[in-house]
Amino acid sequence: GDSVTQMEGPVTLSEEAFLTINCTYTATGYPSLFWYVQYPGEGLQLLLKATKADDKGSNKGFEATYRKETTSFHLEKGSVQVSDSAVYFCARGAAGNKLTFGGGTRVLVKP
Amino acid sequence: DAGVIQSPRHEVTEMGQEVTLRCKPISGHNSLFWYRQTMMRGLELLIYFNNNVPIDDSGMPEDRFSAKMPNASFSTLKIQPSEPRDSAVYFCASSLDSNSNQPQHFGDGTRLSIL
Repeated sequence: GDSVTQMEGPVTLSEEAFLTINCTYTATGYPSLFWYVQYPGEGLQLLLKATKADDKGSNKGFEATYRKETTSFHLEKGSVQVSDSAVYFCARGAAGNKLTFGGGTRVLVKP
Repeated sequence: DAGVIQSPRHEVTEMGQEVTLRCKPISGHNSLFWYRQTMMRGLELLIYFNNNVPIDDSGMPEDRFSAKMPNASFSTLKIQPSEPRDSAVYFCASSLDSNSNQPQHFGDGTRLSIL
């Protein structure tokens, strides 16, 4: 079945460091791909999305490129801030707008 | 614009009691999802509705769980009787339609503790 695999955390970084969170998905069809972010005590929020191969989603300094050849959608940010501390979820779309989520990656940015 | 609204935010009750969680989706959204989040199992889809009709309830753990959507602006998730292992954060989400390109918008969740 559909699945999404993302790197386990926690990832601990210093402010202004470069962040990469790896995500790969099963290649059934051509799903839409999403990154969601969850801040403490809140629900998930859409961070960015890409709907076809080679699309790049971007928002708040985060970027991810839909790579069909490697079935990947890695999240990157060039210079993280303390306020980026959160749990990040990679997800792929499925029939009926169901989403299959990865297990989440906790990121902690220290000042 | 109002987002997805869930109530209550927190619920603490004793095992065996009935629990009802409530959700108001974003106005105009036709798809609604219920999720459960735990440390051990992560984020699990329980059930989803399109146009108020349940489409897939394969994630509902057992008969103690039931969900309804009597109209486009309201849904409930009920657990009866509740058990300690039901303790989790329950999220409701809505999306514009069943197109897989549409993002889901999440509420802030209900943190449920069954003693």
